Amino acid sequence: DTAVSQTPKYLVTQMGNDKSIKCEQNLGHDTMYWYKQDSKKFLKIMFSYNNKELIINETVPNRFSPKSPDKAHLNLHINSLELGDSAVYFCASSQDRRQLSGNTIYFGEGSWLTVV
Amino acid sequence: QKEVEQNSGPLSVPEGAIASLNCTYSDRGSQSFFWYRQYSGKSPELIMFIYSNGDKEDGRFTAQLNKASQYVSLLIRDSQPSDSATYLCAVTRLKAAGNKLTFGGGTRVLVKP
Repeated sequence: DTAVSQTPKYLVTQMGNDKSIKCEQNLGHDTMYWYKQDSKKFLKIMFSYNNKELIINETVPNRFSPKSPDKAHLNLHINSLELGDSAVYFCASSQDRRQLSGNTIYFGEGSWLTVV
Repeated sequence: QKEVEQNSGPLSVPEGAIASLNCTYSDRGSQSFFWYRQYSGKSPELIMFIYSNGDKEDGRFTAQLNKASQYVSLLIRDSQPSDSATYLCAVTRLKAAGNKLTFGGGTRVLVKP
């Protein structure tokens, strides 16, 4: 049983196309995230939703639009894809407890996006 | 200055030795600190977290935190070839909305038999 699942795992597409990545978590968590990992392996947060409400929106081009139909799903739609969008996109989730012990973030397996 | 800095490595360690990984962070308000392991082509998985100054041990792993020096480290004892991976340090402020984890660039560890 996959806790955080995202599809597709691999995506090769041409510049200018529009594509979506879907994410679902079955952990009952209330917070979901999109992280981007570039070729230099830096993992950076893009968006975070808590109970379907957008709470973190980092400096991301507005070609990227997240959508959370319910707290178990967070999709990422990307318009007018550019070469620089090639990266691994990780969906993640956590239960927001706001305790020092931290809110363990569980990552999906990643979606490898290649823009040609 | 990057918010979270790690030596990219590779850190080459003989099997059975101790691997020592370091991480420094710039935000003095950081309150929770995490170590993730990421195998090539896989997603990050949590090894352990720490939020109090001092040491925290979990099996072969020990995390060390020094908030005054803004420094967190990870020791891997009795290193095994299966420990070969990239280790990501991440920090967060407790009250940050949505638990924004800020990651370092990772240290690649190679354990040689």
